Amino acid sequence: DQQVKQNSPSLSVQEGRISILNCDYTNSMFDYFLWYKKYPAEGPTFLISISSIKDKNEDGRFTVFLNKSAKHLSLHIVPSQPGDSAVYFCAFSGGSNYKLTFGKGTLLTVNP
Amino acid sequence: DTAVSQTPKYLVTQMGNDKSIKCEQNLGHDTMYWYKQDSKKFLKIMFSYNNKELIINETVPNRFSPKSPDKAHLNLHINSLELGDSAVYFCASSQERPYGYTFGSGTRLTVV
Repeated sequence: DQQVKQNSPSLSVQEGRISILNCDYTNSMFDYFLWYKKYPAEGPTFLISISSIKDKNEDGRFTVFLNKSAKHLSLHIVPSQPGDSAVYFCAFSGGSNYKLTFGKGTLLTVNP
Repeated sequence: DTAVSQTPKYLVTQMGNDKSIKCEQNLGHDTMYWYKQDSKKFLKIMFSYNNKELIINETVPNRFSPKSPDKAHLNLHINSLELGDSAVYFCASSQERPYGYTFGSGTRLTVV
């Protein structure tokens, strides 16, 4: 079940720079797209989302981009801060049962 | 005042035993979920209940049985535990979209 691919297991950036996290998906039925952030020994926490009718959604330092034709989702964090260091999961939903399909996660490390 | 609480946080048990994990949410959400994060770090849905009714039942061994006594609680009972059941189990709840899930902090199950 590889409907979602988060191909970069890790990413390291300098504080103040941009972090770009990516996901690709294959299921055309997905119509709602989310990003979650997870610290060690905690559950994932919801970060930002976008519906299929939009191509961009911004919330403070976090912006999510959706390219439906390429089936590509990305998260931009600007400027990156050391507290952003965590595992980031993309998640996808389609249909009425609210089931989320998650990517494998990318470990982001922001260096001071 | 944790929104989604799971107990226990850690569970070490021997093969063949039966164990339960409890989950409670105080958010007033209608839908609750169990997800499993295996050693490869994938978060995969196991079950979902909406107002005490089972709505998602993925391909999970029937040794796993969810129970929802009311919409604020979703417990997971596992019979005849096997080594491969070792994982982190996350409970989550949600209301209707566009809101994401709220996760509990997870239960790390180790079967020895």
